[in-house]
Amino acid sequence: AQSVTQLDSHVSVSEGTPVLLRCNYSSSYSPSLFWYVQHPNKGLQLLLKYTSAATLVKGINGFEAEFKKSETSFHLTKPSAHMSDAAEYFCVVSPSDSWGKFQFGAGTQVVVTP
Amino acid sequence: SAVISQKPSRDICQRGTSLTIQCQVDSQVTMMFWYRQQPGQSLTLIATANQGSEATYESGFVIDKFPISRPNLTFSTLTVSNMSPEDSSIYLCSVVWREVPYEQYFGPGTRLTVT
Repeated sequence: AQSVTQLDSHVSVSEGTPVLLRCNYSSSYSPSLFWYVQHPNKGLQLLLKYTSAATLVKGINGFEAEFKKSETSFHLTKPSAHMSDAAEYFCVVSPSDSWGKFQFGAGTQVVVTP
Repeated sequence: SAVISQKPSRDICQRGTSLTIQCQVDSQVTMMFWYRQQPGQSLTLIATANQGSEATYESGFVIDKFPISRPNLTFSTLTVSNMSPEDSSIYLCSVVWREVPYEQYFGPGTRLTVT
């Protein structure tokens, strides 16, 4: 069984300040983990992925995430928020024994204020 | 990466009718999936569309309500049958284009409103 919990439903940050989106997962097998972003009325875009290689993963638009097995976490960070980062972010887990079976977190809505 | 298109992009339908959504990919893909995103909610996997055989449905979804076809490696359809207002959602298809590492690409979605 697998599950993913996004600890914050809403995050509000000021432009230029760091962003932290928290994600914890549960998986019976070594999982693959992803972060996707969904801008209003737009499709889902893959930000980054972890697939048992380096635990610190760098993605697009300055985002990165660190896989911590001991904490079962995969938090997403960005050192300096931009107005264009305002969107919905989804943490996703896919176990290695169920190829393609994505389990989405509930999502975190990010608001960026000037 | 694959380019994925969906038709229609949005529709407003009457209760009790059915709508078929198409998903077209510009290259052959290994796996195709259908998701539902209810208003203000996250995505839920409906089924895996299997090429040449019956789709594999997730718990809570049944073939009579959501029949799926996948006649080849680049095309799939999802039908939402006997619609009710609770079916109002965004329906998305996704594909796995590379076997490793599990990258999944999503179509733009079909926004369905049932009145």
